[in-house]
Amino acid sequence: DTEVTQTPKHLVMGMTNKKSLKCEQHMGHRAMYWYKQKAKKPPELMFVYSYEKLSINESVPSRFSPECPNSSLLNLHLHALQPEDSALYLCASSRQILATQYFGPGTRLTVL
Amino acid sequence: GENVEQHPSTLSVQEGDSAVIKCTYSDSASNYFPWYKQELGKRPQLIIDIRSNVGEKKDQRIAVTLNKTAKHFSLHITETQPEDSAVYFCAASLYGGSQGNLIFGKGTKLSVKP
Repeated sequence: DTEVTQTPKHLVMGMTNKKSLKCEQHMGHRAMYWYKQKAKKPPELMFVYSYEKLSINESVPSRFSPECPNSSLLNLHLHALQPEDSALYLCASSRQILATQYFGPGTRLTVL
Repeated sequence: GENVEQHPSTLSVQEGDSAVIKCTYSDSASNYFPWYKQELGKRPQLIIDIRSNVGEKKDQRIAVTLNKTAKHFSLHITETQPEDSAVYFCAASLYGGSQGNLIFGKGTKLSVKP
């Protein structure tokens, strides 16, 4: 398996909802990343996990909560989001921290 | 911290022509420079990358050049095809460092007209 997968592809949620995004890779990569991408903008780094430990938290609001249950899985828990949080959420992985990063297809999130 | 400038923001070429996208970076410690292609609604896909111990790298119609002294690197696409139309992002980072940051340029929207 040479791909990063993400579920769901699309998510619509209200501001009071709690939802989770899931990312999975089976390439043996030990670093995993969450990015947020707004339309016509580059990806912005949110979190980095290295060997299942949070390595970087780029001053992301606490309504976004990452979790790395094991080396293949990365979750992003969402709670009390705002409409401006609507974006494409991309997961990426790399063999080790800051080796070549490979992106998943993303989850298109809409917050109503 | 690192800052990456990318030009032009839009580029329109005729099929078969060459396209060049340029990026400059600010941190001389950066040593890894990937290029990603992102088609509308799709994931960013790595198309080529270069490390600072190499001045040029080529893969079929795509090449990247790096000038460490001037702190700039460029993507060259020859014999462009309509399927090359996409947004291209350059990025810079410290490969193998303790930080996981890829600093992206703002992107170039390339349109290849048949």
